[in-house]
Amino acid sequence: GENVEQHPSTLSVQEGDSAVIKCTYSDSASNYFPWYKQELGKGPQLIIDIRSNVGEKKDQRIAVTLNKTAKHFSLHITETQPEDSAVYFCAATSPNTGNQFYFGTGTSLTVIP
Amino acid sequence: EPEVTQTPSHQVTQMGQEVILRCVPISNHLYFYWYRQILGQKVEFLVSFYNNEISEKSEIFDDQFSVERPDGSNFTLKIRSTKLEDSAMYFCASRGGQGTNYGYTFGSGTRLTVV
Repeated sequence: GENVEQHPSTLSVQEGDSAVIKCTYSDSASNYFPWYKQELGKGPQLIIDIRSNVGEKKDQRIAVTLNKTAKHFSLHITETQPEDSAVYFCAATSPNTGNQFYFGTGTSLTVIP
Repeated sequence: EPEVTQTPSHQVTQMGQEVILRCVPISNHLYFYWYRQILGQKVEFLVSFYNNEISEKSEIFDDQFSVERPDGSNFTLKIRSTKLEDSAMYFCASRGGQGTNYGYTFGSGTRLTVV
């Protein structure tokens, strides 16, 4: 089945700096890659996603890039703010995996004011 | 914005006891899921449910687990005889459809503590 690896596990940045979180996947058939933000005491919330026919997608301060050849995708947060502090999870799914998503292990991001 | 609602937010139970975790998915969604997250580990798939039956389940979802949609609105996860290793956050999720046009909406989770 699919295996999703995520790095780093923890990340601290100064407010205003950029943060980058990277994920790799193993199933070349994977075609949908969402990113979720999980704040303390809450469930994961979808923040951005990318499909395999797109190399980059941007939504305000958040962008995701996908390299299908290398089988990796990254989350980029620019101009970070304290409210960006949370755990971020990447995920992947493919027609081979049916309904389920495979999640990375999560990155705990701390934005220092 | 529509939400997936889970109750209770925290459940403490004795080992060997049965627990039922409850979820109210988004009303027009068709696909329902349970995931769990052991502290410090990744979110793991347990089971998916569509058209009143299980469509997929993982190795974790053994005979101790069952799911039910008893009344068209609630979606429940039952653990018959809890073990210490069942302690985790359990997330319910729903989707409007299959395929990449439909992302999950997760609930806030139920923290299950087995003592």
